[in-house]
This record gives sequence, structure tokens and C-alpha cells, in this order.
Amino acid sequence: DAGVIQSPRHEVTEMGQEVTLRCKPISGHDYLFWYRQTMMRGLELLIYFNNNVPIDDSGMPEDRFSAKMPNASFSTLKIQPSEPRDSAVYFCASSVGPELHFGDGTRLSIL
Amino acid sequence: AQSVTQLDSQVPVFEEAPVELRCNYSSSVSVYLFWYVQYPNQGLQLLLKYLSGSTLVESINGFEAEFNKSQTSFHLRKPSVHISDTAEYFCAVGDQAGTALIFGKGTTLSVSS
Repeated sequence: DAGVIQSPRHEVTEMGQEVTLRCKPISGHDYLFWYRQTMMRGLELLIYFNNNVPIDDSGMPEDRFSAKMPNASFSTLKIQPSEPRDSAVYFCASSVGPELHFGDGTRLSIL
Repeated sequence: AQSVTQLDSQVPVFEEAPVELRCNYSSSVSVYLFWYVQYPNQGLQLLLKYLSGSTLVESINGFEAEFNKSQTSFHLRKPSVHISDTAEYFCAVGDQAGTALIFGKGTTLSVSS
């Protein structure tokens, strides 16, 4: 079975550029989550959706971050403009019950 | 608000030794509890979970965890570790199906020969 698919796996870009991270959840899952992982702060919840509707975006750090889920099989996390402190691993996860299923993450480096 | 505390950031052990990774949580409602494992450059994989019923839960590779409501703990144990168990382990708490899990900061288990 296909798991959660994230792209790209790695992204290196210069500060000020727009970054778009993509996620395809597991088919049939009605919840989608975006987390960010850093050494200093661990795993932080950024935002999550239920049936494509954002439920809680209180973890989104600033207005530079935005997330969308136009349909049940696709979500994006956008950073514009990007800054070096945004460097982290970004994970997408989906669920249909209590257990979350994670993608392999996008390792983002902002120079 | 819920929170999770993993009491040890790093746990070094020798192969075939027993190990315990400690996790305490804080929640005002009934909880679901999870342990996830992360290998280098990979996402988090579910190791085991407590949703209801028996307070002792086991994984297919020999790990077990016990839900202790009075001590608000969910410690992870393995009687004999292997080199391949070297990874980062995360404890997580949730309060109902579909809401976001809150994760601890992780414990790095390093198994050496």
C-alpha cells in the first residue's frame, strides 16, 4: 500500500525565495497534519486539516507560512519569503483514527 | 493542555542489555498513548499504541510499554536490545481520534557491541 508521499525529499534554496512543500495523504484518510522537526524544538505541529478544512493553524509560526488542501489527495505548505531559521525537516502525516501515518519528510535548507 | 516529557534525551546501552525509555504525560482527559521510532533520514513509524483495554502493550520486535494512569506514565522497555534498535524514539499523547498528537522531544537510543 502506498504511504504518505512527500515531495521534494530535499530542498536547498536562498533566503527570500518561495518554497512549496507537497504532500499526498493515504487514500481514505480524512485528517492531514503538517509537523516541523528541529534539534532545538523537536516535533512541532504547524497545522492540521479535517476533510480538507483547516482545523487548527495556531502552530504556524508567522504569516510567511501558509497551507492549503484543495482536495482529499493533496496538500501544500508554502513559505514566502523563506528565512534561514526555517531550515528544518517538515513532515506530513495522515490519519483516519488515532494513529498518525508519517511521510519521509522534506529536509529544507535555507541559505 | 496536553504535554509529554521524555526524561532522557540520550540512552547508551550495550547489545543484549535491557533498556527502559521513560515517558510521562499530562492531560485532563482520557488519553491515547503512542511510541514512534525514527531511523536516520526517515519518517516516524508507529512502534506501539495504547488506546484502551490492557494496560500492557507489545510490539512485534520485542518492545513493550505499560500505561500507568496513577503515575501518568507510558515507559517503553525491551529486555534485550540489538544494534538495529539504534534510533530516535518519540512518545506521543492524543485525546481523541483525529486530533493532533503531541510529541515529546525524543530519546536517542544508541546500542553498541
